[in-house]
Amino acid sequence: DSGVTQTPKHLITATGQRVTLRCSPRSGDLSVYWYQQSLDQGLQFLIQYYNGEERAKGNILERFSAQQFPDLHSELNLSSLELGDSALYFCASSAQGTEAPYGYTFGSGTRLTVV
Amino acid sequence: AQTVTQSQPEMSVQEAETVTLSCTYDTSENNYYLFWYKQPPSRQMILVIRQEAYKQQNATENRFSVNFQKAAKSFSLKISDSQLGDTAMYFCAFMKPANNDMRFGAGTRLTVKP
Repeated sequence: DSGVTQTPKHLITATGQRVTLRCSPRSGDLSVYWYQQSLDQGLQFLIQYYNGEERAKGNILERFSAQQFPDLHSELNLSSLELGDSALYFCASSAQGTEAPYGYTFGSGTRLTVV
Repeated sequence: AQTVTQSQPEMSVQEAETVTLSCTYDTSENNYYLFWYKQPPSRQMILVIRQEAYKQQNATENRFSVNFQKAAKSFSLKISDSQLGDTAMYFCAFMKPANNDMRFGAGTRLTVKP
């Protein structure tokens, strides 16, 4: 157990629907990152939050949004889902402070299947 | 923007042998961090080894070591005495400390054969 908790582990939904993925960072970590990994591909950076505020945004679609709550958990909202959104969505967190020299701790991911 | 390139989509090695995975990156930064992550079939992302750009000494973690060539912007991973459990996707990653933005390469699928 890495300490980063993602729920649900698996999600199957239909095109056009909306889903919410949840992430609880490792205890004490203030930064949360979301990544998308499509089948047999690398990880694409979506968005980063630090202590409730958005810090960086990657190639995140307008149909996707995220937020980090006062208790530091984060949610990634995916709407108007398309078949191409099927992927493994990772959440990661990093240690307190504004730098993460030891990298991220990853959750086990949420496998989203859009049918 | 920083880019990370892993030029070997797939590699294989015999158990107990040594294998080297390549990674190059492009950046104008002088201070940064480099990582290798392992993703076994379970899909969990596991940190293998890290390197700080301002340190000349190559990092080592048991059977894993890196060859960091800053001028060449190269960061290869050497796995010694390969084990079946090393079979996984390996991702090279670059991170700027200014914003903790980590970018990954496309990955190398390593198969260790008995």
